[in-house]
Amino acid sequence: AQTVTQSQPEMSVQEAETVTLSCTYDTSESDYYLFWYKQPPSRQMILVIRQEAYKQQNATENRFSVNFQKAAKSFSLKISDSQLGDAAMYFCAYRTGDATNKLIFGTGTLLAVQP
Amino acid sequence: NAGVTQTPKFRILKIGQSMTLQCAQDMNHNYMYWYRQDPGMGLKLIYYSVGAGITDKGEVPNGYNVSRSTTEDFPLRLELAAPSQTSVYFCASRGTPEANTEAFFGQGTRLTVV
Repeated sequence: AQTVTQSQPEMSVQEAETVTLSCTYDTSESDYYLFWYKQPPSRQMILVIRQEAYKQQNATENRFSVNFQKAAKSFSLKISDSQLGDAAMYFCAYRTGDATNKLIFGTGTLLAVQP
Repeated sequence: NAGVTQTPKFRILKIGQSMTLQCAQDMNHNYMYWYRQDPGMGLKLIYYSVGAGITDKGEVPNGYNVSRSTTEDFPLRLELAAPSQTSVYFCASRGTPEANTEAFFGQGTRLTVV
């Protein structure tokens, strides 16, 4: 069975600085997708970025980028030029390649942004 | 352009009561999911459906039931509510794997069992 581990329950960053959130996963599948979701206090799950396992190039979305290391099963999120609105819970998620296509979530990292 | 709609947003139940959490999507998605989120934990899959008339158990199905009579609706039924079911519940949907769409989430239902 697949597992997703986020080892940083909480992180803090100064406004305009850069922060990296860690995520590791375990799987025997060769083709899968990885995601980072943002959950602000409103509870809404917001997709931040996704990575397809067969693509070696790291995904980038504006100030958000990932460091995807397939062999090491590592998928970290880098937030550049942090803004107050980035403060939220961040979840790493793995989408299975079987017929269910279900998402398996890590336990989350609570990011605080200091002004 | 509603996406995934969950009702209610909040609910307090007494132990032993029953209720149905409603979930509807207007994107003609085949795949629908129910997750629960406990404090300090990630989302865990309760039930899922790959199309109308087809449902299956996820990781934590005990105490819940689902049905999928239409493509749009995927209600989650709680029978004999217990304090352990106090949680935030999320419904999600997505298209077929071939369509390779992202999962869309509802805004969640915060349920408290007292």
